[in-house]
Amino acid sequence: GAGVSQSPSNKVTEKGKDVELRCDPISGHTALYWYRQSLGQGLEFLIYFQGNSAPDKSGLPSDRFSAERTGGSVSTLTIQRTQQEDSAVYLCASSSDRDIYGYTFGSGTRLTVV
Amino acid sequence: GDSVTQMEGPVTLSEEAFLTINCTYTATGYPSLFWYVQYPGEGLQLLLKATKADDKGSNKGFEATYRKETTSFHLEKGSVQVSDSAVYFCALSDRWPGNTGKLIFGQGTTLQVKP
Repeated sequence: GAGVSQSPSNKVTEKGKDVELRCDPISGHTALYWYRQSLGQGLEFLIYFQGNSAPDKSGLPSDRFSAERTGGSVSTLTIQRTQQEDSAVYLCASSSDRDIYGYTFGSGTRLTVV
Repeated sequence: GDSVTQMEGPVTLSEEAFLTINCTYTATGYPSLFWYVQYPGEGLQLLLKATKADDKGSNKGFEATYRKETTSFHLEKGSVQVSDSAVYFCALSDRWPGNTGKLIFGQGTTLQVKP
């Protein structure tokens, strides 16, 4: 696609429920990143996929968070048993081999846990 | 670990004023440095970058010079416009030997430009 697409754009969920956030990167981009932007905070790295390599999960805040990337394209970030502190904007970005630091970000999913 | 520190905002300026947003970093290896911008209601986008010491990145009238001796990458613009109102993020990534592509972002600095 022309850009990085994320869905849903907004999600309100009850505490304790599981949620899935989707990211559709730019076609041909081998690298895909998930970040979290909490109110008043910077961007917090969560997880990174590069081609067929094992993902870098070093930023995942707890074992309630997981992510997968199927077929080297679409990625899903899953948060189990959501907590109020999970409320944030979840951003996905992708980049190509030619310019791995030239991220293209999606518009994000605003998650609110009530 | 690697980190980026930006000046706290919000920064409020009048149109045509000179802008400086300070950014300093701590890193192992030899990072590349970036400024990203997030306009209201839009996604983050790359503003400019520099990949080695003394490089100057520039775009849309903004400039930043990679200063290895002071570990800084301050963002400047000579004359800001209302349309520059946004949140600005400084970021770094290890360029060698890591090359992971992972970026570490600062906290962001909100710029408000008044007419």
